[in-house]
Amino acid sequence: DIVMTQSPDSLAVSLGERATINCKSSQSVLYSSNNKNYLAWYQQKPGQPPKLLIYWASTRESGVPDRFSGSGSGTDFTLTISSLQAEDVAVYYCQQYYSTPLAFGPGTKVDIK
Amino acid sequence: EVQLVESGGGLVKPGGSLRLSCAASGFTFSSYSMNWVRQAPGKGLEWVSSISSSSSYIYYADSVKGRFTISRDNAKNSLYLQMNSLRAEDTAVYYCARGGAAAATIFDYWGQGTLVTVSS
Repeated sequence: DIVMTQSPDSLAVSLGERATINCKSSQSVLYSSNNKNYLAWYQQKPGQPPKLLIYWASTRESGVPDRFSGSGSGTDFTLTISSLQAEDVAVYYCQQYYSTPLAFGPGTKVDIK
Repeated sequence: EVQLVESGGGLVKPGGSLRLSCAASGFTFSSYSMNWVRQAPGKGLEWVSSISSSSSYIYYADSVKGRFTISRDNAKNSLYLQMNSLRAEDTAVYYCARGGAAAATIFDYWGQGTLVTVSS
C-alpha cells in the first residue's frame, strides 16, 4: 500500500504571502507508460466537503484560481499558494490515485498569521 | 449543476447495520465511477470504496472489506453503501464523491455528507 505524508502539519502565512505544502508518497506515483503523476490536491474549508484543486500533480481543476499550483514528480510533490487570501484558510490534502487502496495524506492546516 | 445528496446516516449500536444512499443529479450518472469517502470527527479523509460506471469493478479499503458493500442503480441515479457489523471506529461523516472525468479515481464532486455514529 502507498502511504502519503504531508509537511508541515500546519502553517500560518501573512495575507499576500506564499504558502507551500509538501506531500510525499512511500513509492512512486509516476506511471511510466503515460508519464503522468497520479497525485491530486484537495481543499477542505470548515464545515464543507473537500474540493478538488489539482490533479495529475499540476493540472488545475476548472475554476480554481491560478494562485494555486502543483509541482513535483515521483514521490515528492508541492502545493503552492502564491499569494494567500483570507478565503484560502482550510485544510489541504494530497491523494494518490496510482493504485488501490486510494490514500490521502493527513492534511495540512493553513491559517492567516 | 452536479448535485450529490447523501442520506441514511444516524445512530446505530455496535454490530448493527445501516444503508447509506446518494442521489445524483446534473450529470449522466451511468457514465461515471462513484466513491464513498469518510471522515471521522476532527480527523482526515479516508477512502472507503469505489464502483465503476457499470459496476464491473468494485474496490474496498481493508478496514471495511467483508463488512461494507457498495452498489449502484443507474436507472435511479443512485449510489448505495450497505454497512454491516458496524464498529465504533466506523463513526464518521460519509461522503459520496464522483469519479473524475480526467481520472476515475480522483473525486471531482462531493456531497455534503451524512453522519454515521456507532455507539451503545
